[in-house]
Amino acid sequence: DAGVIQSPRHEVTEMGQEVTLRCKPISGHNSLFWYRQTMMRGLELLIYFNNNVPIDDSGMPEDRFSAKMPNASFSTLKIQPSEPRDSAVYFCASSLLGGETQYFGPGTRLLVL
Amino acid sequence: QKEVEQNSGPLSVPEGAIASLNCTYSDRVSQSFFWYRQYSGKSPELIMSIYSNGDKEDGRFTAQLNKASQYVSLLIRDSQPSDSATYLCAVRGWDSNYQLIWGAGTKLIIKP
Repeated sequence: DAGVIQSPRHEVTEMGQEVTLRCKPISGHNSLFWYRQTMMRGLELLIYFNNNVPIDDSGMPEDRFSAKMPNASFSTLKIQPSEPRDSAVYFCASSLLGGETQYFGPGTRLLVL
Repeated sequence: QKEVEQNSGPLSVPEGAIASLNCTYSDRVSQSFFWYRQYSGKSPELIMSIYSNGDKEDGRFTAQLNKASQYVSLLIRDSQPSDSATYLCAVRGWDSNYQLIWGAGTKLIIKP
């Protein structure tokens, strides 16, 4: 059974470029979470969706970040324009609605030069 | 501001000993408590969940919850080098709409 799938696994880009991260949740899961992890700040929740609807985006750092979930099997996190301080590992996780176990994808390691 | 606090470590424990990891939380109405393990360069994975006061055992792992004191702990018996990882504590309140509040994690090192 496939777990949460994220792409790309690694991304190196230059400051000012647009970055798009992709996530496919586990089939049947209704909740999807985007996290960012750095050494300094640990694991931070950026935004989460229930049934494709954004519930809480208070963790999104600023307007340069946006996330969409057009259907139950796909979500994107976009950074435009990217900055060096956006360098981090970005995780996508999914769970059953009301379920308490979150299943994490392998993460996307983003480096903005 | 709801907070979850963990000692960042590293916590160094000899192989075969008991490793004790602690976590405190600020929101008194928190209902669900989780321990995730994260190996270096990997994603977090759930290893224990606990919902009521007392102990919950699963193999070499025991989670302990004390809601009155607002702390939750994880004990690892017979520690193995493969237990070396960062352990993240996560807490969910009754009104959090499935969102977890995460601690910064404790890095555990098991020395052979």
